[in-house]
Amino acid sequence: QKEVEQNSGPLSVPEGAIASLNCTYSDRGSQSFFWYRQYSGKSPELIMFIYSNGDKEDGRFTAQLNKASQYVSLLIRDSQPSDSATYLCAVNVNTNAGKSTFGDGTTLTVKP
Amino acid sequence: DAGITQSPRHKVTETGTPVTLRCHQTENHRYMYWYRQDPGHGLRLIHYSYGVKDTDKGEVSDGYSVSRSKTEDFLLTLESATSSQTSVYFCAISEGGDEQFFGPGTRLTVL
Repeated sequence: QKEVEQNSGPLSVPEGAIASLNCTYSDRGSQSFFWYRQYSGKSPELIMFIYSNGDKEDGRFTAQLNKASQYVSLLIRDSQPSDSATYLCAVNVNTNAGKSTFGDGTTLTVKP
Repeated sequence: DAGITQSPRHKVTETGTPVTLRCHQTENHRYMYWYRQDPGHGLRLIHYSYGVKDTDKGEVSDGYSVSRSKTEDFLLTLESATSSQTSVYFCAISEGGDEQFFGPGTRLTVL
């Protein structure tokens, strides 16, 4: 079993819809969780982080964390074609230990 | 972009030759990382550093070595490049060991 698993994708949604990206992790001691966006041919960029159970909202993005079920999700509301990218989930077991484990990513396409 | 540069940005080399990739930061962040990214494998950690001269292995460290003699520079060396090391290499930095900021990447081809 991989330490961090994401929806296999690709995921396609129409413009204006809600895109839901899911990630599960195996280490119950995981403490911090990140979502990165990577456009084709570019480097990953951080878009959200969450440390506590519940929801965290930032503009059109909402990160959801459920430590009991060991999953973290990213919701993108009012999806735009510019949201088309690969989304990477990353998990740190110890927040200050410096190591993140990344999932393989989910590719999202938003169709106009 | 955070102040991270990688050099070279592209390199083609032959099997068996040594290769060194450089990551340079101007942010004075404590942590630095080297990842490789291959289709279907996401980002895999090669080595990372938590301070000058302090480094540790990641999940795919075989065939790679690193050095960090100054806060701003983190070097990745392939002692004898193999075709399996053809990949895109990303450097990343982090101030506190949590969120990371990535460099532009180096595309390495080993023939």
